Amino acid sequence: QVTLRESGPALVKPTQTLTLTCTFSGFALSTSGMCVSWIRQAPGKALEWLALIDWDDDKYFSTSLKTRLSISKDTFKNQVVLTMTNMDPVDTATYFCARFTMPRCAFDFWGQGTMVTVSA
Amino acid sequence: EIVLTQSPGTLSLSPGKRATLSCRASQSVSSSYLMWYQQKPGQAPRLLIYAASSRATGIPDRFSGSGSGTDFTLTISRLEPEDSALYYCQQFGTSPRITFGPGTKVDIK
Repeated sequence: QVTLRESGPALVKPTQTLTLTCTFSGFALSTSGMCVSWIRQAPGKALEWLALIDWDDDKYFSTSLKTRLSISKDTFKNQVVLTMTNMDPVDTATYFCARFTMPRCAFDFWGQGTMVTVSA
Repeated sequence: EIVLTQSPGTLSLSPGKRATLSCRASQSVSSSYLMWYQQKPGQAPRLLIYAASSRATGIPDRFSGSGSGTDFTLTISRLEPEDSALYYCQQFGTSPRITFGPGTKVDIK
């Protein structure tokens, strides 16, 4: 079955770079139509899409955050890594990774999320 | 970038009643690219509806989606206590660009 799990630091300081890893199983990111994406949710707030990487290694980013984000994949390890630079307290949120499939273009499987707090 | 607006912000209804949730887009969205998710406290979202009206695997048939263009609707025909949750719409656009609506909270009283 398809599973995804996020991992990374629970606490980062302002100005630091956040690195999160999504480890997945049950599908191959090398398969046409498969993508993995990152979404975050600040406490009590709505979902915010961050970035997506597809089977062909094409990468897409939120317009408002693209200067701070990078995404990469390791097909052999079944991992996708998100980095976000210059972290700020407003970036405090739960970060989810999710499988996104085309042509359905929906997030059909999600990780449980990892809470990241930005504080000095 | 397409902005999604959801209404109402909160819906309080009794079990067995019908809930109608609205999602309005700032520009036309292809029906193929409008989704609905349910999120319960402390959990990840769950895909309910894709392509505006297709139920995802395992979703009860009391959940239905409809709409086109800029106006989409999620209907829960007979509310059950476990339907208390936040509901988000999401669209997929060119580039791609993905946006979520602000959500509707459904309270079953």
